[in-house]
Amino acid sequence: ETVLTQSPATLSLSPGERATLSCRASQSVSTYFAWYQQKSGQPPRLLIYDVSHRATGVPARFSGSGSGTDFTLTISSLEPEDFAVYYCQQRDNWPLTFGGGTKVEIK
Amino acid sequence: QVQLVESGGGVVQPGGSLRLSCATSGFIFSTYGMYWVRQAPGKGLEWVAFIWYDGTNKYYADSIKGRFAISRDDSKNTLYLQMDSLRGEDTAVYYCARDQRMSLPGPYYFDYWGQGTLVTVSS
Repeated sequence: ETVLTQSPATLSLSPGERATLSCRASQSVSTYFAWYQQKSGQPPRLLIYDVSHRATGVPARFSGSGSGTDFTLTISSLEPEDFAVYYCQQRDNWPLTFGGGTKVEIK
Repeated sequence: QVQLVESGGGVVQPGGSLRLSCATSGFIFSTYGMYWVRQAPGKGLEWVAFIWYDGTNKYYADSIKGRFAISRDDSKNTLYLQMDSLRGEDTAVYYCARDQRMSLPGPYYFDYWGQGTLVTVSS
């Protein structure tokens, strides 16, 4: 099983600041990697797929990078609606796995 | 617009059974693979099961293998999860989700999600 480890667990930032979230895989997942956003009481939303492709309707301030085992989600300038929990996910091998999540909270 | 609506959750005793349903609309159901994903209270996401768009292949997480079964009825545009031998650790919100790519074996990514249905396993 591919274990995805996200860091930090919590990120405390102010609106307008840049957010950098990391996810490390226990083995290579090639580029079969995604990021999701989940707000309280809501289902997750696909943000980024195949490492760096924004899903439909996702603002350009969200970007993804990385390959193999190390991946990054960057939010260039935080908007109030971006404060949420973010999960990474791999589809390279079974079972499909998610990271434990990074909570982006208002400082 | 794409809609996924789960139902069938509730409180069940350990060892009991439930069948979850996911009614879909707004897309051609028979051309998409479908997933179940769960989230225990206050915890992260756990993939549970996946079924190909044509129903020929099914995949399960080890934690539920042999106890849960995913199925689909394309005539009703509905996805199911039969859950047997339920345990306390199965307590979670269960989401259905659509695979991102049409008419391909998958898996790809979870591009549309329902609002979820809560399953509580407790005596």
